Amino acid sequence: DIQMTQSPSSLSASVGDRVTITCRASQSISNYLNWYQHKPGKAPKLLIYAASSLQSGVPSRFSGSGSGTDFTLTISSLQPEDFATYYCQQSYSTPRTFGQGTKVEIK
Amino acid sequence: EVQLVESGGGLVNPGGSLRLSCAASGFTFSSYSMNWVRQAPGKGLEWVSSISSSTTYIYYADSVKGRFTISRDNAKNSLYLQMNSLRAEDTAVYYCARETSSLSFDYWGQGTLVTVSS
Repeated sequence: DIQMTQSPSSLSASVGDRVTITCRASQSISNYLNWYQHKPGKAPKLLIYAASSLQSGVPSRFSGSGSGTDFTLTISSLQPEDFATYYCQQSYSTPRTFGQGTKVEIK
Repeated sequence: EVQLVESGGGLVNPGGSLRLSCAASGFTFSSYSMNWVRQAPGKGLEWVSSISSSTTYIYYADSVKGRFTISRDNAKNSLYLQMNSLRAEDTAVYYCARETSSLSFDYWGQGTLVTVSS
């Protein structure tokens, strides 16, 4: 199975900050990498697919990059509604493993 | 509007069974692969199972293989998860999710809680 490791596990940031979350795969997954946002009691939301493609309706402050084993999710200017947990997921092979999550909290 | 609505969760004894359903609307259900993903209390997201549009391809996480069965009824626009031999560690919120051609999950339901406890 492909292991996905996110860092950091949590971070504290202020509104307006630039936030970067990294995700590393245990083997090359090309660009088969997705990012989701999850808030308590809500359905997870797709932000980025295929490593760098912005899902329709997602604000442009979210961006993704990377290929192979190393990937990054960047929020260019953190907004109040962005405080949530973020997950990467590989879709290169089954099982479709998720990272352990990164909780973004208010500083 | 795409909607996915899970149902069938509840409290069940260890060793018991439960069948989850996911009612889909707002899109051509028969054209999409579908997935179940769960989140145990205080834990992250865990992919559980997937089924292709015509049921040709079915996959399971090792943690549920041999105990859970995914199925779908395209005529009823519904996805199912039959869960047998339930364990305490199966306690989680279970989500159904639609899979796109880019292999991402673009729509999710609100989830249904399964609690396995005596």
